[in-house]
Amino acid sequence: AQKITQTQPGMFVQEKEAVTLDCTYDTSDPSYGLFWYKQPSSGEMIFLIYQGSYDQQNATEGRYSLNFQKARKSANLVISASQLGDSAMYFCAMREVYNQGGKLIFGQGTELSVKP
Amino acid sequence: DAGVTQSPTHLIKTRGQQVTLRCSPKSGHDTVSWYQQALGQEPQFIFQYYEEEERQRGNFPDRFSGHQFPNYSSELNVNALLLGDSALYLCASSLGSQNTEAFFGQGTRLTVV
Repeated sequence: AQKITQTQPGMFVQEKEAVTLDCTYDTSDPSYGLFWYKQPSSGEMIFLIYQGSYDQQNATEGRYSLNFQKARKSANLVISASQLGDSAMYFCAMREVYNQGGKLIFGQGTELSVKP
Repeated sequence: DAGVTQSPTHLIKTRGQQVTLRCSPKSGHDTVSWYQQALGQEPQFIFQYYEEEERQRGNFPDRFSGHQFPNYSSELNVNALLLGDSALYLCASSLGSQNTEAFFGQGTRLTVV
């Protein structure tokens, strides 16, 4: 079974608008972390934001925020005020502390295109 | 503060050859993980090194091996290269295996011909 699911293969957003990238996960581990990465065409995997399973508040990092709904097992990334440079592939990943020893499990990715 | 650095950035090898990829972790990090990302796919975990030992391994054959040095840098070795080994190889570093941080290098793009 897929542990991380990103159901949007591609997304389009107008410059300066907000966009939400979906991510759902499946785990029985009580302790886990959720990561979002941006991968431009150059290939580098750029860390954006992290949410721990015990964190009470949603994580925010500048224009990035993570909408964490634990009961629904979702960890959507919200990008506010999109910029042309945000066009890239975005990956959601999970790290299970007890079950998987800390390795990152990635979703299939969402390709975001920002239109001027 | 240098981030994660990988070398080389690009590499072309012939089927059957052997290759070594290198990774220097972010300053202060002691754990290195390697991932393989085929074109159009998500990264797949190969293995993780901590305290110079392989601590965890993904579903990859023994042709894939690694090493971690006392300065925490790491090497990924692939023997008897197959065309299917063509991929972007990513190195990630963290402080311990369970840390909230996991930073990646720019990757090594390996092409097997």
